[in-house]
Amino acid sequence: DGGITQSPKYLFRKEGQNVTLSCEQNLNHDAMYWYRQDPGQGLRLIYYSQIVNDFQKGDIAEGYSVSREKKESFPLTVTSAQKNPTAFYLCASLDRDEAFFGQGTRLTVV
Amino acid sequence: GESVGLHLPTLSVQEGDNSIINCAYSNSASDYFIWYKQESGKGPQFIIDIRSNMDKRQGQRVTVLLNKTVKHLSLQIAATQPGDSAVYFCAEGSKSFQKLVFGTGTRLLVSP
Repeated sequence: DGGITQSPKYLFRKEGQNVTLSCEQNLNHDAMYWYRQDPGQGLRLIYYSQIVNDFQKGDIAEGYSVSREKKESFPLTVTSAQKNPTAFYLCASLDRDEAFFGQGTRLTVV
Repeated sequence: GESVGLHLPTLSVQEGDNSIINCAYSNSASDYFIWYKQESGKGPQFIIDIRSNMDKRQGQRVTVLLNKTVKHLSLQIAATQPGDSAVYFCAEGSKSFQKLVFGTGTRLLVSP
């Protein structure tokens, strides 16, 4: 079945560690996005990519990094520079006018 | 930023009532709009979309209205059911700025 797969579903990070969240899609979409969602709040854009080997910062890119080496993959790295990384992270891909979302990764700092 | 980290407003309705969820969008250049439903712990799911050349679009039990003059979007859910309880987000997009921007969302609570 076509769709977007995020992994892992739950992730725990120690202080000072970098962690990478995976996002894979088999929908052949060019555009992919990463959003952060805090409890009881809306979605905030971290990074987005319109095409392979190109990506743009969103509204809250500080402390995060991404790569887009393949069309189907858009991993997000949460670096130690991100001071408050505990949140729900959502990956999406966009085809024309519709965005398809993964089921999210819940990251907790321990 | 284009979306603000505010706490979600809540709309409480009785089962069987019609619900209206509102959204103010930010960019007059946006030319398509999407409503999403997000259940707890899950990713958002597409409900319905509308282009800027339309004022109204209907789906199954849902209607989206677009007022470009005041940059306002609404989602109407007919005969609301307990399974409709979720957070609803509107999103705006444009080919020219090439990214999808989300509103802050509204929590819909449906009582039996």
